[in-house]
Amino acid sequence: DAKTTQPNSMESNEEEPVHLPCNHSTISGTDYIHWYRQLPSQGPEYVIHGLTSNVNNRMASLAIAEDRKSSTLILHRATLRDAAVYYCILSSPGRPGANNLFFGTGTRLTVIP
Amino acid sequence: ETGVTQTPRHLVMGMTNKKSLKCEQHLGHNAMYWYKQSAKKPLELMFVYSLEERVENNSVPSRFSPECPNSSHLFLHLHTLQPEDSALYLCASSPGYQETQYFGPGTRLLVL
Repeated sequence: DAKTTQPNSMESNEEEPVHLPCNHSTISGTDYIHWYRQLPSQGPEYVIHGLTSNVNNRMASLAIAEDRKSSTLILHRATLRDAAVYYCILSSPGRPGANNLFFGTGTRLTVIP
Repeated sequence: ETGVTQTPRHLVMGMTNKKSLKCEQHLGHNAMYWYKQSAKKPLELMFVYSLEERVENNSVPSRFSPECPNSSHLFLHLHTLQPEDSALYLCASSPGYQETQYFGPGTRLLVL
């Protein structure tokens, strides 16, 4: 059973916002929600992370449900360079757990010009 | 830009060869990770070192042997591999165990 579940693929038009969902119903109280993305022929890169409150940075925003069982990565204006596989993972600093560092298959985002 | 480097970037080896993958991080991090990414499977965590001690070993076959001589360097020693071990091997580091990870570009391994 997957620790996080994401849609296999999504499409977005260029310059439009994108909402990438992630379910993590077995999240524990100390688990942070991390998002990474992997561009073609590259290693994954960090996008954003959060614990309970919504977070914003220069790349994206992270909206976390009140019960923390789901989250949404928001790209405010998709560009062609945002086409990548997006991974949602759980991690608990300093503490190993069954949920943790499970990348799954991610969501492949296609951006249409 | 990345503070995590991996060498070699590409490697072809026979099943009887012995080779090593090297990872180096210049970020002052205390935790380092090895992942395997196959074409048909999700990214799989293999090993984790924190403060130079192995803290996770996710049922990886003994033909893969990690080594962490100091907090900046991580090796993956390979011997008698199988063709199904062909994959992209990714190294990552983080300030502390399970904190935000920074990945290297990976080593693409082909076992013949």
